[in-house]
Amino acid sequence: AQTVTQSQPEMSVQEAETVTLSCTYDTSESDYYLFWYKQPPSRQMILVIRQEAYKQQNATENRFSVNFQKAAKSFSLKISDSQLGDAAMYFCASYTGANSKLTFGKGITLSVRP
Amino acid sequence: DTEVTQTPKHLVMGMTNKKSLKCEQHMGHRAMYWYKQKAKKPPELMFVYSYEKLSINESVPSRFSPECPNSSLLNLHLHALQPEDSALYLCASSPRWGEYEQYFGPGTRLTVT
Repeated sequence: AQTVTQSQPEMSVQEAETVTLSCTYDTSESDYYLFWYKQPPSRQMILVIRQEAYKQQNATENRFSVNFQKAAKSFSLKISDSQLGDAAMYFCASYTGANSKLTFGKGITLSVRP
Repeated sequence: DTEVTQTPKHLVMGMTNKKSLKCEQHMGHRAMYWYKQKAKKPPELMFVYSYEKLSINESVPSRFSPECPNSSLLNLHLHALQPEDSALYLCASSPRWGEYEQYFGPGTRLTVT
């Protein structure tokens, strides 16, 4: 079974600063994928970034990057130069072909202070 | 076009009503999904359709009835719902079931009175 843990329910960051959102996961599969989804108050789930487990290089998408520590089963999201539009709920998720389902963490609410 | 659309955006229905939610995608995806999401919680998978056939039913009550008339369209028929069924219903699609990139629609906010 897969599990995804996001232990921090809320975080706050000053505009233009950097924030890191934590996520740990557990899986017995060797082939899996990890994601961060953003869900603003507008409700739509938006894929922010994905990481293939077989890739050692950390994924980066503009201001968003991950710190993927495979041995520690850790997958944190770093948001640089935070903007007001980054305020949202962020979900960490994992996926394996074994059950072909996305497993979500509980989510973290990020607020951005102007 | 990387868009999944859902209608209506909001729906209020009584417990004796019958209504339907609609989801469309024109990306040529052959897998489509229904999720239920309560406030401040992660989405919960309800159904998966692959090539217009139901592949997963996550033990959803029969008052929710999915339908996939064609590869672009997914419906969720609602009947005799309970107030606890009030939630955001999200539709998603992916190129094929088992291909991880899921694209989500904006959701339908359902309130059962």
